[in-house]
Amino acid sequence: DQQVKQNSPSLSVQEGRISILNCDYTNSMFDYFLWYKKYPAEGPTFLISISSIKDKNEDGRFTVFLNKSAKHLSLHIVPSQPGDSAVYFCAATSGSRLTFGEGTQLTVNP
Amino acid sequence: DVKVTQSSRYLVKRTGEKVFLECVQDMDHENMFWYRQDPGLGLRLIYFSYDVKMKEKGDIPEGYSVSREKKERFSLILESASTNQTSMYLCASSSHGGLAGDNEQFFGPGTRLTVL
Repeated sequence: DQQVKQNSPSLSVQEGRISILNCDYTNSMFDYFLWYKKYPAEGPTFLISISSIKDKNEDGRFTVFLNKSAKHLSLHIVPSQPGDSAVYFCAATSGSRLTFGEGTQLTVNP
Repeated sequence: DVKVTQSSRYLVKRTGEKVFLECVQDMDHENMFWYRQDPGLGLRLIYFSYDVKMKEKGDIPEGYSVSREKKERFSLILESASTNQTSMYLCASSSHGGLAGDNEQFFGPGTRLTVL
């Protein structure tokens, strides 16, 4: 069963606008959540994370929101830039092992 | 700068061949992981290891085995390669750490394996 789901396989936005990527999870034991970014032919790189004791974490243009009651997290990118075009994976954990979503391909158009 | 390296970026093998994928990390991490990435399926965990000579099955271990003889090296073995093992293989490592912030995994560049 898919414990972490990203329901949107792709998202297209204009440069300068906001990108919102969504992720849902089912396992209430997850206590830490991460977002990774992946360019073609490269390994994923860590972007931002959030602990379950928080509901928001911000790092520059990137903000992650966590709604524990809805088991939902989202990544906001403002303003979006063409270099942000990549596949974004959300991941969740309650220990050392990460469970990943399917990924969302973000395309930022100039 | 932290580094995870994988022995090959691209590999082409024939059905039935034994395939070795090597991964080395220089961060003195205890944990190492092997994933495969397929379109629409995300990253799926094949095997992981918490320490030298220790291994645990992930979500899709069938058709694979692993070896961890040294802390810095984690090998993935396809005993008899099949076409459905054509995929992008990603290695990652992380520290043990008891804090949630230590859950970050560092990934290698990946090996694109094609089995003909």
